[in-house]
Amino acid sequence: DGGITQSPKYLFRKEGQNVTLSCEQNLNHDAMYWYRQDPGQGLRLIYYSQIVNDFQKGDIAEGYSVSREKKESFPLTVTSAQKNPTAFYLCASSLTGTRNQPQHFGDGTRLSIL
Amino acid sequence: QKEVEQNSGPLSVPEGAIASLNCTYSDRGSQSFFWYRQYSGKSPELIMSIYSNGDKEDGRFTAQLNKASQYVSLLIRDSQPSDSATYLCAVNSGSNYQLIWGAGTKLIIKP
Repeated sequence: DGGITQSPKYLFRKEGQNVTLSCEQNLNHDAMYWYRQDPGQGLRLIYYSQIVNDFQKGDIAEGYSVSREKKESFPLTVTSAQKNPTAFYLCASSLTGTRNQPQHFGDGTRLSIL
Repeated sequence: QKEVEQNSGPLSVPEGAIASLNCTYSDRGSQSFFWYRQYSGKSPELIMSIYSNGDKEDGRFTAQLNKASQYVSLLIRDSQPSDSATYLCAVNSGSNYQLIWGAGTKLIIKP
């Protein structure tokens, strides 16, 4: 089955620790995205990538980093610089990065601070 | 600041009735409009997309777009308890193609 796989489903971070969230897709989509969702709020864009080896900052990139070395993979690292990391993290992909393409989501990762 | 506004709800609708969800947006350059359904604790799921003025129907769902008034709506006919969820409106930015998201409307279908 084609889809987007995020892992782990739940993640706990200790103070001062970096953690990496995995996102893999087998839809052959060019574009991939990372969002953060806080309770009662809309999705906020962290980073996006329209092609391999290229990515752009979204609205709330501070304290996060990404890489796009393979078309199917777009991991997100939450660094110790992100002081309030507790949230629901969603990875999405679209066929291309153009305006008419809808985004499809993985099941998400819930990150909490220990 | 480009914005997408939705009434947070909750919107309570009797089973079998029509649920009407509304969304307004600020970016006049927006060309693509999407409705997603998000069950509690789950990720968003695309249910409708609309690109031109007028109505688009898919089963029990109808999306309506009025670019002049900058609003998009979603009608759900014959509402079922399984339709109870938060509905997110997403609109593409006219400048960089990224999606701008509303905070969502919580819909409750009462049996």
